[in-house]
Amino acid sequence: AQTVTQSQPEMSVQEAETVTLSCTYDTSESDYYLFWYKQPPSRQMILVIRQEAYKQQNATENRFSVNFQKAAKSFSLKISDSQLGDAAMYFCAQYQGGSEKLVFGKGTKLTVNP
Amino acid sequence: DTAVSQTPKYLVTQMGNDKSIKCEQNLGHDTMYWYKQDSKKFLKIMFSYNNKELIINETVPNRFSPKSPDKAHLNLHINSLELGDSAVYFCASRPLAKNIQYFGAGTRLSVL
Repeated sequence: AQTVTQSQPEMSVQEAETVTLSCTYDTSESDYYLFWYKQPPSRQMILVIRQEAYKQQNATENRFSVNFQKAAKSFSLKISDSQLGDAAMYFCAQYQGGSEKLVFGKGTKLTVNP
Repeated sequence: DTAVSQTPKYLVTQMGNDKSIKCEQNLGHDTMYWYKQDSKKFLKIMFSYNNKELIINETVPNRFSPKSPDKAHLNLHINSLELGDSAVYFCASRPLAKNIQYFGAGTRLSVL
């Protein structure tokens, strides 16, 4: 079964500090992709970062980076130099070609304090 | 210029009514999806179409019927609306060779 677990319903961080959001997943396939999406109050789903399972190198997009631990099935998101605009729900998601489904975790609500 | 557009953005209706939500993408993508986000923010796939053909049909009541007149459009029709159908419905699309889904802005459906 394809499952994604985000164990932190809420997190908070001070502006300019660093925060890490956790995600674990389960899959029986070797070919899959992992994503972090951001959903601000506007409710638009915005892709933050993507990781291909076959790549060992952790993906990075500006202030956003991931720690992909394939054996542990862990995919955490690190946000550096947090900004007020980073406040949002963050969803971890997994896509696998066999099922063609994108499965989401339940989300982590991130608050950024000034 | 919007890549994936959904209409309407908000929909308020009475129980028992029939309503449709429209989705259009101008990205030339082959695959389109409908997701439901419930009141606890949980997002779950409902349907997926590839070039007008249904490829994913999750356990969704048959009151929900997707229709894809062409590969740029995927509409969602809901019959006999119930209170539990209140949610935000997202449309998304994906190109054939890339596993990234692009989402519309969502339609907030409120059934009274």
